[in-house]
Amino acid sequence: GAVVSQHPSWVICKSGTSVKIECRSLDFQATTMFWYRQFPKQSLMLMATSNEGSKATYEQGVEKDKFLINHASLTLSTLTVTSAHPEDSSFYICSASREAYNEQFFGPGTRLTVL
Amino acid sequence: RKEVEQDPGPFNVPEGATVAFNCTYSNSASQSFFWYRQDCRKEPKLLMSVYSSGNEDGRFTAQLNRASQYISLLIRDSKLSDSATYLCVDSGNTPLVFGKGTRLSVIA
Repeated sequence: GAVVSQHPSWVICKSGTSVKIECRSLDFQATTMFWYRQFPKQSLMLMATSNEGSKATYEQGVEKDKFLINHASLTLSTLTVTSAHPEDSSFYICSASREAYNEQFFGPGTRLTVL
Repeated sequence: RKEVEQDPGPFNVPEGATVAFNCTYSNSASQSFFWYRQDCRKEPKLLMSVYSSGNEDGRFTAQLNRASQYISLLIRDSKLSDSATYLCVDSGNTPLVFGKGTRLSVIA
């Protein structure tokens, strides 16, 4: 149990386009989902926390208008990178947690390359 | 947020060796931690939880030393497949806060 999927697993896009990444909890209801970003040889950095049906809480330095997060249901959160640029190329990982449990279950990640 | 510190390594050890990593923490109120393992270009995967009683799972043993405020992870009889980055995380944080971890390379 507690499987989280991400789609797509990798994406290459042109500069200026928008990319949507989906994060799904497959066998449980995720009250909270988290979006992380990891650059090569760096640590996972939290970008935002989203709760179903409410606005996401962004970490300092993360532009909410650039990284749009939607958590419309208890099993799906999406991250849209708008007007992507090469510096947005990174590994994006989501995780999900269940109510009353502290453990986070991670998705397999999405590797974004912006040309 | 409750932070932890780890030696980034890399630790290069031969197959079959025993290797130990430490992770220090600053918040004396912290009560439990996670050890995660992250392979290159993959998501972190939970290895084990660590409470005051410690934890053992096969070749892996984790201990929490509250007096000195550190957590250890001991890997016995290292395998090539143990090569990865090991991340120590304070489980009291929501969401989890990750450092760079400790990189282990097991060499044939």
